[in-house]
Amino acid sequence: GAVVSQHPSRVICKSGTSVKIECRSLDFQATTMFWYRQFPKQSLMLMATSNEGSKATYEQGVEKDKFLINHASLTLSTLTVTSAHPEDSSFYICSATGGGAYEQYFGPGTRLTVT
Amino acid sequence: AQSVAQPEDQVNVAEGNPLTVKCTYSVSGNPYLFWYVQYPNRGLQFLLKYITGDNLVKGSYGFEAEFNKSQTSFHLKKPSALVSDSALYFCAAPLTSGNTGKLIFGQGTTLQVKP
Repeated sequence: GAVVSQHPSRVICKSGTSVKIECRSLDFQATTMFWYRQFPKQSLMLMATSNEGSKATYEQGVEKDKFLINHASLTLSTLTVTSAHPEDSSFYICSATGGGAYEQYFGPGTRLTVT
Repeated sequence: AQSVAQPEDQVNVAEGNPLTVKCTYSVSGNPYLFWYVQYPNRGLQFLLKYITGDNLVKGSYGFEAEFNKSQTSFHLKKPSALVSDSALYFCAAPLTSGNTGKLIFGQGTTLQVKP
């Protein structure tokens, strides 16, 4: 149980285009989803917290107009990287919680490469 | 301020030998503590958690962790390491203020098990 999927697993896009990443909780309802960014061999950097039906809460320094987050249902959250630039290339990971004991369930990650 | 620290960037151990990956914490109140493992280009997988009760927590893949309140530590251990245990390990604790569900992560420790 408690499976979280992400799609796509890997995407290459051209500079200036937008990319959407989906995060789905497959067998539970996720009241809260989190989006992280990770650089090679580093820890996870929390970008934003997404609650179903409400606006995402962004961490300091994360541009909300660049990283659009939508959490339209209890099983789906999307992250759209708008007008992507090479410096946005990174590994993006989502996680979801069903509200119990702080445990987060992580997706497999999406490798974004902007050329 | 709350924090989770992993003092070692990398731990090297020979296959068959016991391994320890260190974690110390500074959180208010009774801590919840987690260990996650990340394989290359993958999301985080839950290993084990400490909520309350026995100080020795058993988790997935033969891992265990010992909660030590006096030393504010939660070291991850395994009696006999496998080459397949080689991965990036994260210790984490929930941010207790604000009931946001956010996790604070340690810096991560790369475990290298050599045959």
